[in-house]
Amino acid sequence: GQQLNQSPQSMFIQEGEDVSMNCTSSSIFNTWLWYKQEPGEGPVLLIALYKAGELTSNGRLTAQFGITRKDSFLNISASIPSDVGIYFCAGQNTGTASKLTFGTGTRLQVTL
Amino acid sequence: ETGVTQTPRHLVMGMTNKKSLKCEQHLGHNAMYWYKQSAKKPLELMFVYNFKEQTENNSVPSRFSPECPNSSHLFLHLHTLQPEDSALYLCASSPAVNSNQPQHFGDGTRLSIL
Repeated sequence: GQQLNQSPQSMFIQEGEDVSMNCTSSSIFNTWLWYKQEPGEGPVLLIALYKAGELTSNGRLTAQFGITRKDSFLNISASIPSDVGIYFCAGQNTGTASKLTFGTGTRLQVTL
Repeated sequence: ETGVTQTPRHLVMGMTNKKSLKCEQHLGHNAMYWYKQSAKKPLELMFVYNFKEQTENNSVPSRFSPECPNSSHLFLHLHTLQPEDSALYLCASSPAVNSNQPQHFGDGTRLSIL
């Protein structure tokens, strides 16, 4: 089935550093979502993007909906230990909302 | 976030056992979903229910049998599973299937098949 390419696959950073990750697709989406999953838990919605070019923030997190509608970016500023987890992007199109296509995830480790 | 609750959190069963996974959502949503999450693979959609009616079966083997008695509850009945069925099973809900509102996930049931 369709798959989103998410990069990097994993990141090891120091506390206080900024983080950038991205997600690309061969087809367009009209909604992009970013989720975070911590060990032993389900994915938790971080940010939802509904318009091409949209830039949305949630605390230290900022995500952008790419102009081409085929990509999205997530930035985390001034990382802290509780940012550890796996970050998933997901694309969705209205009318086929059940067809959430997920990325392969970016595993983030934060060292003190 | 406890809007979507899944039980049990962990389940170990033999290949000949019959067990059920339960999902309950308190968000007033009308669509519910089952996903399978295996190591190093993207989440795989299994089933979709909209207003209690199944709208999607993503070629899931018949040893997995879903049930949705109402918009708030979703079950996954398991029978004669295989070792490769060991995975995290996630339930999600959303306001409706044909909307762009995000899905909200439960914490999953970690299933191990002996």
